[in-house]
Amino acid sequence: DIVMTQSPDSLAVSLGERATINCKSSQSVLYSSDNKNYLAWYQQKTGESPKLLIYWASTRESGVPDRFSGSGSGTDFTLTISSLQAEDVAVYHCQQYYTTPPTFGQGTRLEIK
Amino acid sequence: EVQVVESGGGLVQPGGSLRVSCAAYGFTVSANYMTWVRQAPGKGLQWVSVIYSDGSTYYADSVKGRFTISRDNSKNTVYLQMNTLRTEDTAVYYCARGPKTTAGNSLDPWGQGTLVTVSS
Repeated sequence: DIVMTQSPDSLAVSLGERATINCKSSQSVLYSSDNKNYLAWYQQKTGESPKLLIYWASTRESGVPDRFSGSGSGTDFTLTISSLQAEDVAVYHCQQYYTTPPTFGQGTRLEIK
Repeated sequence: EVQVVESGGGLVQPGGSLRVSCAAYGFTVSANYMTWVRQAPGKGLQWVSVIYSDGSTYYADSVKGRFTISRDNSKNTVYLQMNTLRTEDTAVYYCARGPKTTAGNSLDPWGQGTLVTVSS
């Protein structure tokens, strides 16, 4: 199975500042036939279910604010929130679906400093 | 509105059985892939099972031989039959549409989850 490792485990950022979360996979999730990375990011607020933010590593889901962006390729990926808002407090999960079973990172808890 | 709604969770003794359901609205389960993911208390997300549109099914090694995923097209509902439950199966079980091949095999939407507690 592909192991997904997120860093840091938790993060505190001031309102309006940039937040950066990293995700590393134990093997490449770049599919050579379409040159796409099968890496998604989800946001999970307390007491809620996960919500899809980004797929193919950098494509924002419809309706997701443009302050959220994803980058990276192969084995190293980043989720960036350009200007943190209070409503962004949540746990963020990365997930690979390059192979079955799909696997998730352990999650990164984002709080307001 | 496209959504999924889980039900059927509860308290069950070790070794017991439980079936959780996932009703879909705004789309047809038989034309989509459908996935179950669980989250133990205070832990991360763990993929459990998937049923593809052609009816093929796959399971995590930790539940293989004990859990069965199925669907009822007439009710537009997906099920997860859980047998020989263990304390380590305690979790919130989420249903989600996906993997969506047009969106990087991502999962969306997710239901609100149903809590399964395995305890004596």
